[in-house]
Amino acid sequence: KAGVTQTPRYLIKTRGQQVTLSCSPISGHRSVSWYQQTPGQGLQFLFEYFSETQRNKGNFPGRFSGRQFSNSRSEMNVSTLELGDSALYLCASSPVGGFTEAFFGQGTRLTVV
Amino acid sequence: LAKTTQPISMDSYEGQEVNITCSHNNIATNDYITWYQQFPSQGPRFIIQGYKTKVTNEVASLFIPADRKSSTLSLPRVSLSDTAVYYCLVGTGSGANNLFFGTGTRLTVIP
Repeated sequence: KAGVTQTPRYLIKTRGQQVTLSCSPISGHRSVSWYQQTPGQGLQFLFEYFSETQRNKGNFPGRFSGRQFSNSRSEMNVSTLELGDSALYLCASSPVGGFTEAFFGQGTRLTVV
Repeated sequence: LAKTTQPISMDSYEGQEVNITCSHNNIATNDYITWYQQFPSQGPRFIIQGYKTKVTNEVASLFIPADRKSSTLSLPRVSLSDTAVYYCLVGTGSGANNLFFGTGTRLTVIP
């Protein structure tokens, strides 16, 4: 079956702009989580959505937001972009319940100039 | 979430067995231990998960002592394509919910 799909793969934005990233989870997976990866901070959890509700949130400012649609697809939005937001943004999906394997997409490489 | 400590990097020659040890002194009773592999510019990939003793699958083995304060990922006969960063995670989170990846171990396989 198809894996986790993230679009776009690469993005260049200017400081102050906003950006929306998309994630399509594996069919049947209802949990979608977002992570930010930078060389300095490593992989950091942003938030998780389950059945269209944000279930958990990491320690990021309110400029980072997300949502999940009824088909489990998720979007992440970053407003008022800063240079430090340049990173690889990863989406992961997993089935319902338990401590289960997470399936990651290939990520969106965001560069803020 | 229990924090983990791993070596920052390791080198190995092709064909050798590689053992990466992870310390997790504050592991809780309900925590599982999971290892992920990540190649550059790609998302992490699940390798193996265990709770205690030994778990083996087609790519790796995971050894967990009785006190569960550490674990060892064993990769048999590594090849150049095993060059990657390996993360040890401990927790009871549901799926990808709030996984703490730490710094990981950068494994370099040398020909």
